[in-house]
Amino acid sequence: GAVVSQHPSRVICKSGTSVKIECRSLDFQATTMFWYRQFPKQSLMLMATSNEGSKATYEQGVEKDKFLINHASLTLSTLTVTSAHPEDSSFYICSASPRGSSSGANVLTFGAGSRLTVL
Amino acid sequence: QQQVKQSPQSLIVQKGGISIINCAYENTAFDYFPWYQQFPGKGPALLIAIRPDVSEKKEGRFTISFNKSAKQFSLHIMDSQPGDSATYFCAASKGDGSARQLTFGSGTQLTVLP
Repeated sequence: GAVVSQHPSRVICKSGTSVKIECRSLDFQATTMFWYRQFPKQSLMLMATSNEGSKATYEQGVEKDKFLINHASLTLSTLTVTSAHPEDSSFYICSASPRGSSSGANVLTFGAGSRLTVL
Repeated sequence: QQQVKQSPQSLIVQKGGISIINCAYENTAFDYFPWYQQFPGKGPALLIAIRPDVSEKKEGRFTISFNKSAKQFSLHIMDSQPGDSATYFCAASKGDGSARQLTFGSGTQLTVLP
């Protein structure tokens, strides 16, 4: 089956630094990847849609300059949290659907998530 | 505006019992209703899904019941096992079932006692 890998799984950083999280589709190409944020005991909130070779589409209320998304290849999307602050601490999850599919929810595979803690 | 309401927030069931989680939606344009299972520190995994043209779908111990007129759907876990202990999210999407339009419920933390 389709596998999506995220790295790192956990990261701790100091306030003011930037952190990059990688999302890779291991055995398929993904034209579209999605980034979610999840607070403890809460649901997943879609942050942005990452499109290979073009700019990401951000959801309302998500700061584009704070959360930089790059989708440089069909197997890799990165989320960079810039000038991180304690309120950015969260669980970040990516998902992807295979190239050629409709990017429908029925073909989504989620990564294992990345836990960011900003001190 | 919360478009998908999920209940209960938490659920404790004895091993072998039936776990029932309910969801209600508001937008009649939704046409795809998946359930996800998430273990602590992991990403969600698709468990089972249904489209509104059927009223029930069963896969192993997991069954989705769908009531289009009431705009409600539920997940039933038969013969619940301790390994089923996880957080369950219902979700809904509209149009072509676009992942971008996937709206999650608030989640239910299920604990199955041995």
